[in-house]
Amino acid sequence: DQQVKQNSPSLSVQEGRISILNCDYTNSMFDYFLWYKKYPAEGPTFLISISSIKDKNEDGRFTVFLNKSAKHLSLHIVPSQPGDSAVYFCAASESSGAQKLVFGQGTRLTINP
Amino acid sequence: NAGVTQTPKFQVLKTGQSMTLQCAQDMNHEYMSWYRQDPGMGLRLIHYSVGAGITDQGEVPNGYNVSRSTTEDFPLRLLSAAPSQTSVYFCASRRSPWDRSTSYEQYFGPGTRLTVT
Repeated sequence: DQQVKQNSPSLSVQEGRISILNCDYTNSMFDYFLWYKKYPAEGPTFLISISSIKDKNEDGRFTVFLNKSAKHLSLHIVPSQPGDSAVYFCAASESSGAQKLVFGQGTRLTINP
Repeated sequence: NAGVTQTPKFQVLKTGQSMTLQCAQDMNHEYMSWYRQDPGMGLRLIHYSVGAGITDQGEVPNGYNVSRSTTEDFPLRLLSAAPSQTSVYFCASRRSPWDRSTSYEQYFGPGTRLTVT
């Protein structure tokens, strides 16, 4: 049972345009969400997060939106740059207990010049 | 700070062999975890530890053992390797999960690519 789903395995966007990556979750106990970025042959690195008490969090070119009623979050990258080409993982956690992270399958983003 | 380090970077095992994947962190983090990454499956939690002497199972623990004798080290042992354990393994750490003021952000090592033939 996949509790966190990224239904798009890949996404291709032109440089300078907006990239939108989507993530859905099924566990209503999740109340903290994170996005990680991964380059080939490297470990994932933290990008941005959002708590369930908010519906938007912004950090420079990156914005995460959370729609709790739809159990959906999205990551917007504006403007997209060639260095943004990577695999992006969505992750979710409950704030109680050991706060284990549950990851989605990942979306490979390619930014075309 | 070196952050989270993992050794080896690559390993090839024959079915039935055993080995230990090493993980160390120098950030004094209480929480450490092991994930495996497989195509189309994302990162799945194998085992985790909330402090020295305390470990627990994650989503896919079968075939793996862990121990946490120090804050810095969290080795992952494969007792009898199987082809299904061919994967990329990532170790991660973060500050105490019991401190609600800290971020949930985990810091990952560079990974160990394991092939079992």
